[in-house]
Amino acid sequence: KNEVEQSPQNLTAQEGEFITINCSYSVGISALHWLQQHPGGGIVSLFMLSSGKKKHGRLIATINIQEKHSSLHITASHPRDSAVYICAVKGAQKLVFGQGTRLTINP
Amino acid sequence: NAGVMQNPRHLVRRRGQEARLRCSPMKGHSHVYWYRQLPEEGLKFMVYLQKENIIDESGMPKERFSAEFPKEGPSILRIQQVVRGDSAAYFCASSPVAGTTDTQYFGPGTRLTVL
Repeated sequence: KNEVEQSPQNLTAQEGEFITINCSYSVGISALHWLQQHPGGGIVSLFMLSSGKKKHGRLIATINIQEKHSSLHITASHPRDSAVYICAVKGAQKLVFGQGTRLTINP
Repeated sequence: NAGVMQNPRHLVRRRGQEARLRCSPMKGHSHVYWYRQLPEEGLKFMVYLQKENIIDESGMPKERFSAEFPKEGPSILRIQQVVRGDSAAYFCASSPVAGTTDTQYFGPGTRLTVL
C-alpha cells in the first residue's frame, strides 16, 4: 500500500461543475502540498497545509490531521483547470507523492 | 525574481554516455531537492542538498547517480553510463530554508531520453 493514496485516479467533468479530489496518507507529516502539473509537464505548487483550510481563487484545500485526509476542491471548473493534481506529504524533509489525479474539464 | 531554472529542458543521450542536469535555485534559496518522474509514474524523491552538503540521498540509485550543490553555481545531477531505464523527467525544487512547513518551488524539469 502506498503511503499516499489519491482518488479518483481520473476524473472527467463538464465546465462549471464542482470538483473534489481526495488524498489519504498513512504516515506522520509536518505539511501536505497540493501540486498541479500541466500537460507541458511543469509543476506548480498550489497549496501547503499543516491544518485547517486554505482558499485561493476557485481552489480550496482542506486537511484533517486526525483522519490523515486532505481534499482539493475546484469551484466553477473551467477547461483550463485540466491537469494532473498531485498530493504530496512532507515528513522531516522530503516529499512523498501520490500518483496524481488526471482531471479533464470539457467545455 | 526568476524562478527555479533547469537546463537543458530536453536531453538525448545514447546508452553508456553521461548526462548532466543543472538546476539553479531561486535567488536566496539554499536548499535544493531533486525528483524523478518515470513515464506513467508518480514523482519520487531522489536527493536533498544544501550548499556543499548532501543532506538526504535516500532516494538515489546506489550506482551511476551523483549530485552536488557547490558553493558557487548550480546544483548538478549527474548520471553516468546511462541506460534506457533512466529515461524520465527530472525535476528540481528549491526552498529558502529547511523548515518543515516551507514551500518548495519547482523548476520546469529536464526530460532525459536515452536511445
